[in-house]
Parts: sequence; C-alpha cells; structure tokens
Amino acid sequence: AQKITQTQPGMFVQEKEAVTLDCTYDTSDPSYGLFWYKQPSSGEMIFLIYQGSYDQQNATEGRYSLNFQKARKSANLVISASQLGDSAMYFCAMRDAGSARQLTFGSGTQLTVLP
Amino acid sequence: SQTIHQWPATLVQPVGSPLSLECTVEGTSNPNLYWYRQAAGRGLQLLFYSVGIGQISSEVPQNLSASRPQDRQFILSSKKLLLSDSGFYLCAWSARGQLHQPQHFGDGTRLSIL
Repeated sequence: AQKITQTQPGMFVQEKEAVTLDCTYDTSDPSYGLFWYKQPSSGEMIFLIYQGSYDQQNATEGRYSLNFQKARKSANLVISASQLGDSAMYFCAMRDAGSARQLTFGSGTQLTVLP
Repeated sequence: SQTIHQWPATLVQPVGSPLSLECTVEGTSNPNLYWYRQAAGRGLQLLFYSVGIGQISSEVPQNLSASRPQDRQFILSSKKLLLSDSGFYLCAWSARGQLHQPQHFGDGTRLSIL
C-alpha cells in the first residue's frame, strides 16, 4: 500500500530565503509519480511540480524544485527566494502504477513566510 | 484550456437534510473524476472516483453517494446529512492512463451542518 509522510506540521521562513519541505514515501511499485500541491487559505489546490520515478534529473518549475532521493524514498520540495504569497499549506502526493487512478496525499505542512 | 467548476462555494445545511454538490469539467473528454473531503487542518480523503459515465468507485463507507450522469459531470449526494459530514469538499479531474498527469481541483465547497 502507498504511504506518504510529511513530518513538519508547520514551518517558518524569512522572506527571500529558501525553505525545504520534507516528504517521504513508501511503495513497492518501481513505477510511480510524486506531486506537490499548494493550498492557500482560500482553499483551492494548486499543482506545483511533478517527479517521475524514472526521471534522471530533479524536477524544477520556476522557484520550485524537487530534491528527489530515490534510495531514501524522499521527495522534498525546495522553494527558493520565498515570498509572502508562498504562505500556504503544502501537500505531497503520490500515484503508483498499481493504483494509477488515485493520488495518496500526505497530511501537509503549513508554511508561513515572515516579512 | 481545461477548466473545472464546482458549486456551491459554501453551504449551510441542517442535520437530516439532503445534499447535492455538482462538478463539471470543460475542455477535455473522458476524464477521471474524483471527490475528496478535507476536515479542518487535515489532509485530503478520497471519497469517490469515476473512470466513465455510470462508473463509480467508493473509497470510504458513508452516507454519501456519487453519480456521473454525463462524461464531464460529477455529483456528490446525500439523502440525510450527519454532523460528521461537515468539511471542505473538493472535486478534481485528471487525464486517463498517464502516471504523470496531475489531478486538477475545483475551488471547493465549504459545507457546514447545523
């Protein structure tokens, strides 16, 4: 069975600094995908970045990058040059080939960017 | 481009009343569709998903049901709401058959049961 663990319920970062949000996963399937979503206080879920299990390079999307360490089964999200608008809940999620229709979500990390 | 619409945005209902939340997707065909519930300060719980018209899979036993009367329409219903049904309900869609395809979410419905 899939499992996603986010061990940081809350994180604080100073504006303009970088922050890393942790995510570890567990699956026995060699083919899987990892996703990060942002949920502002308004509630919508915004897709940020994707990493496939066979991807050779870490994914990047603008200020977001994914530190993918396959042997450790971790997929940490790195946000560079934090902005006040980055304050939100962040969810890590996974889909594997065995349950390709579904995403399994972690419990989330509440990020607060301080001015 | 694809868009997903979910309504209403907020809803206050008395215990024992019925429920109908609607979700429609535009700009794509044959999507997978999903209903999630999120309790305050918690993660997302998958309630139902559908891979086609009339095809519904339930993930959690409860007094809620889902239907997909048209390809891009997904409805969440209840005949009698319970206090425990309060929460934030999110509809989502994804393209079929692709592991790397993200799910795209609607803006959600905040449901309060009195």
